[in-house]
Amino acid sequence: AQKITQTQPGMFVQEKEAVTLDCTYDTSDQSYGLFWYKQPSSGEMIFLIYQGSYDEQNATEGRYSLNFQKARKSANLVISASQLGDSAMYFCAMNAGNMLTFGGGTRLMVKP
Amino acid sequence: EPEVTQTPSHQVTQMGQEVILRCVPISNHLYFYWYRQILGQKVEFLVSFYNNEISEKSEIFDDQFSVERPDGSNFTLKIRSTKLEDSAMYFCASSEVPRTVGNTIYFGEGSWLTVV
Repeated sequence: AQKITQTQPGMFVQEKEAVTLDCTYDTSDQSYGLFWYKQPSSGEMIFLIYQGSYDEQNATEGRYSLNFQKARKSANLVISASQLGDSAMYFCAMNAGNMLTFGGGTRLMVKP
Repeated sequence: EPEVTQTPSHQVTQMGQEVILRCVPISNHLYFYWYRQILGQKVEFLVSFYNNEISEKSEIFDDQFSVERPDGSNFTLKIRSTKLEDSAMYFCASSEVPRTVGNTIYFGEGSWLTVV
């Protein structure tokens, strides 16, 4: 079974600064994928970034990057140059098959 | 950009009534999913569907739930006799190929279900 842990229930960041959202995972599978999703207050689930377990380089998508440390089983999301619109819930998820297991989420609040 | 669409966006139903939530996955995607999120809680997997049959399902997906692909585009979740604890956001999702490792899973905007 897979398990995802997000230890930060809430975080504040100053606008234009970078922020790291933590995610650790546990799985016995050798092949798996790690995802980050953003959920604004409107409720939709927006895909941000993906990292495969065999990818040697950390994934990047615009202002989002994934700090993947396989030995430590962590997949932290880094948001650079935070914007007010980044205020939302952020979920880390993983799959090793055809279902996603989600963490409990981190609420990020960007201060102007 | 292709997207997963869901209807209705919000539905209020009486306890014991049947509810059908509809989804149109991304057109070239072959794997379909339903997830739910009770207010304030984490997103939970319900069921995955491939080649017109259920591929995997969770403990939550009991006999009151069913899924169907009635035509070439829609993917539906039916809750036969709703209970108060079924109140949640229900997300449909799809991915391009059966094995989702290495392929992104795209979510719809969700359907809020409120059971009163």
